Amino acid sequence: AQSVSQHNHHVILSEAASLELGCNYSYGGTVNLFWYVQYPGQHLQLLLKYFSGDPLVKGIKGFEAEFIKSKFSFNLRKPSVQWSDTAEYFCAVRGTNAGKSTFGDGTTLTVKP
Amino acid sequence: DAGVIQSPRHEVTEMGQEVTLRCKPISGHDYLFWYRQTMMRGLELLIYFNNNVPIDDSGMPEDRFSAKMPNASFSTLKIQPSEPRDSAVYFCASRPYNEYGELFFGEGSRLTVL
Repeated sequence: AQSVSQHNHHVILSEAASLELGCNYSYGGTVNLFWYVQYPGQHLQLLLKYFSGDPLVKGIKGFEAEFIKSKFSFNLRKPSVQWSDTAEYFCAVRGTNAGKSTFGDGTTLTVKP
Repeated sequence: DAGVIQSPRHEVTEMGQEVTLRCKPISGHDYLFWYRQTMMRGLELLIYFNNNVPIDDSGMPEDRFSAKMPNASFSTLKIQPSEPRDSAVYFCASRPYNEYGELFFGEGSRLTVL
């Protein structure tokens, strides 16, 4: 069975601080990995995804994530956050032959201006 | 493309009433998912379809919930009778059959049961 663990439930940062959100997954096979973002009052939208190749993937708005297979991790990073990054962030995993994705519980990021 | 379209966006109803939520997936997408989001339980997968066929409904909370997908462009999630604990935002998502598995979410239907 797939499972996803996001280490931080709520993160509070000041603008220009660096961000790293942890994500670990459990799955016994090849995976696709995703980070989705949900801005206040909006729906989830894709931030970035990994499916093969370079383990360092870049997404929209300056976000990046690194897939470390040996650690079953897919941490999200941004060198300098902005107030507009305030949102909830979800890590998700899907086995490459699986129909559904499994989501983590989400991390709420609050960026103080 | 218009994206995944859900209706209604907001629904307020009284306990015991029937609620029907609707979803139109992106044209050409083979998979359709219904999720529920609450503060207490986070994002939960209720059911998903592949080519209009329900594949996994293990997340449906109880018999009061039912979902159908009569054709490739329409799905419904029905709650009958509704209860206050069903209050949540219900998201529909779809994706094509490819190796990426990226989900495209609708705007959600916010349900309040009084």
